[in-house]
Amino acid sequence: SAVISQKPSRDICQRGTSLTIQCQVDSQVTMMFWYRQQPGQSLTLIATANQGSEATYESGFVIDKFPISRPNLTFSTLTVSNMSPEDSSIYLCSVGDSRMPQHFGDGTRLSIL
Amino acid sequence: QQQVKQSPQSLIVQKGGISIINCAYENTAFDYFPWYQQFPGKGPALLIAIRPDVSEKKEGRFTISFNKSAKQFSLHIMDSQPGDSATYFCASRVGSQGNLIFGKGTKLSVKP
Repeated sequence: SAVISQKPSRDICQRGTSLTIQCQVDSQVTMMFWYRQQPGQSLTLIATANQGSEATYESGFVIDKFPISRPNLTFSTLTVSNMSPEDSSIYLCSVGDSRMPQHFGDGTRLSIL
Repeated sequence: QQQVKQSPQSLIVQKGGISIINCAYENTAFDYFPWYQQFPGKGPALLIAIRPDVSEKKEGRFTISFNKSAKQFSLHIMDSQPGDSATYFCASRVGSQGNLIFGKGTKLSVKP
């Protein structure tokens, strides 16, 4: 299975600032996904990022708040913009396509003060 | 239509016992049903998965039972161990390019 690395693993940020989370995969993958997992809760898909096209956002998530880049087949970034305490969550990157099931990184634990 | 309902929310089992977690879905287009195991501080790890053309899949101590007519599937953990204590999520997906829809999770505690 793919090895997925996320950076940073955790951060504490001030209200109103932005943070960019990086996701690196050790093999080329078509589809990368970004999820949010609020404390003690399930996973909610933010967006799907395919290389060479605009990310597709789920209902309730917008590009201005969560801009995503997908410059190549092994890398993606998610930015959490203008953060508020409600954005305190775990943000998870995953990869998967028709060849392999979806695998997750260990996530970025984000706290907003 | 897109929901996956998971129960129970939490489960306490004695060491050596059987842990059973249930999920139900509504969308008959779902064609892939994985289970993920998540330890604190870690991302979800794929445990076992099944497609609706089989009724049961076993990998070691972990078994998925699938009932297509009832639109239900369950995870059975045989001979449960304290190391199995984690949160378990069921999920469903439509097609190889589809998104995973997750259940709300079950926190399993296995007592020594």
